[in-house]
Amino acid sequence: DTGVSQNPRHKITKRGQNVTFRCDPISEHNRLYWYRQTLGQGPEFLTYFQNEAQLEKSRLLSDRFSAERPKGSFSTLEIQRTEQGDSAMYLCASSEREGAMNEQFFGPGTRLTVL
Amino acid sequence: QKEVEQNSGPLSVPEGAIASLNCTYSDRGSQSFFWYRQYSGKSPELIMSIYSNGDKEDGRFTAQLNKASQYVSLLIRDSQPSDSATYLCALKNTGGFKTIFGAGTRLFVKA
Repeated sequence: DTGVSQNPRHKITKRGQNVTFRCDPISEHNRLYWYRQTLGQGPEFLTYFQNEAQLEKSRLLSDRFSAERPKGSFSTLEIQRTEQGDSAMYLCASSEREGAMNEQFFGPGTRLTVL
Repeated sequence: QKEVEQNSGPLSVPEGAIASLNCTYSDRGSQSFFWYRQYSGKSPELIMSIYSNGDKEDGRFTAQLNKASQYVSLLIRDSQPSDSATYLCALKNTGGFKTIFGAGTRLFVKA
């Protein structure tokens, strides 16, 4: 399968625990995005990587969130000290190019439930 | 004012009819616009992108862009029950890397 993959697909955790999600983009895509989506809302931008460089991070993202893309291939998103408000679908997308023609392709998402 | 506004719906159309989905945006400098389809419990799927004023057609889908009015629309001809989904309007903002999504319009096509 040459699409964007994400793992795990579902994660249930207790409040206060740390969680880490992985995203593997389409192989020739060097641009990678993380989004969060809650019920009834569109995806909300979290952060953007071009190769291994994190070029933009949402101001809405608290310090509990961190993302890495160490070799410019897969990326991880970590949430420390999870809160119930972190419960959402976490989506990863990749793109081949920047600029106007920034067509992004999404992975299946990781659904996080914080109890 | 939200950066991207869509009517949440649901928009209900009979099978075979034209479904018209609308979106307005506030950033006059936005250059590129996208329509994504999202089935319940699934991730968004890109169906159309448009960058220039006017119409762009792809099969049963037509995207329309009017930058002067800050308005984007998606027409779905010969609507099918399988088109029932949430349609997300998105745009690439100016001066940054992020894509901003509207909350989506739910479309229901009745057989």
